[in-house]
Amino acid sequence: EAAVTQSPRNKVAVTGGKVTLSCNQTNNHNNMYWYRQDTGHGLRLIHYSYGAGSTEKGDIPDGYKASRPSQENFSLILELATPSQTSVYFCASGDSRNSYEQYFGPGTRLTVL
Amino acid sequence: GQQVQQSPASLVLQEGENAELQCNFSSTATQLQWFYQSPGGSLVSLLSNPSGTKHTGRLTSTTVTKERRSSLHISSSQTTDSGTYLCAIVGNYAQGLTFGLGTRVSVFP
Repeated sequence: EAAVTQSPRNKVAVTGGKVTLSCNQTNNHNNMYWYRQDTGHGLRLIHYSYGAGSTEKGDIPDGYKASRPSQENFSLILELATPSQTSVYFCASGDSRNSYEQYFGPGTRLTVL
Repeated sequence: GQQVQQSPASLVLQEGENAELQCNFSSTATQLQWFYQSPGGSLVSLLSNPSGTKHTGRLTSTTVTKERRSSLHISSSQTTDSGTYLCAIVGNYAQGLTFGLGTRVSVFP
């Protein structure tokens, strides 16, 4: 059974629109993460969370918000989507009980037109 | 910030050959993971190895923490090993991973 799931798997949005990417984990991990992957840049950290109610900025947070309403769920929000946010987005979870190894979801391919 | 460099960028193998992938990082790593990314894009954690040597199946990882380097050895390669291998580190516990750009491996029969 997949322990980290993401929805939607594919999304096409218009410039200026609002996009919400959702992530759910059944690992019972405290920490969750959002990354984006682009050719030439690899995977980069956008936001992360230490637990319900907490969000922290990663390396490239501009243009993104995050929400962690519960242990299981972590959302990435693009309030005003731009074409530069076209990318593949990955969610991950991990915590101290597994030495902070991270386990990834299947990814969401987002295209902003 | 932290940097992770992987070499070679790409590798072509004939089935049955062995391969050695390298990962060098710029600062202390409290955690190091090797991932496999399939041509379809999914990321699978292969090994967690912040220090020493670890084995799983045909994979062996050796990390020399003081020298800030890690290697991943693939023995007896198979066509299903084709894909991209990513090295990633964490400097401070609980913070996100810093990834290298990966080594693209192609295994032909």
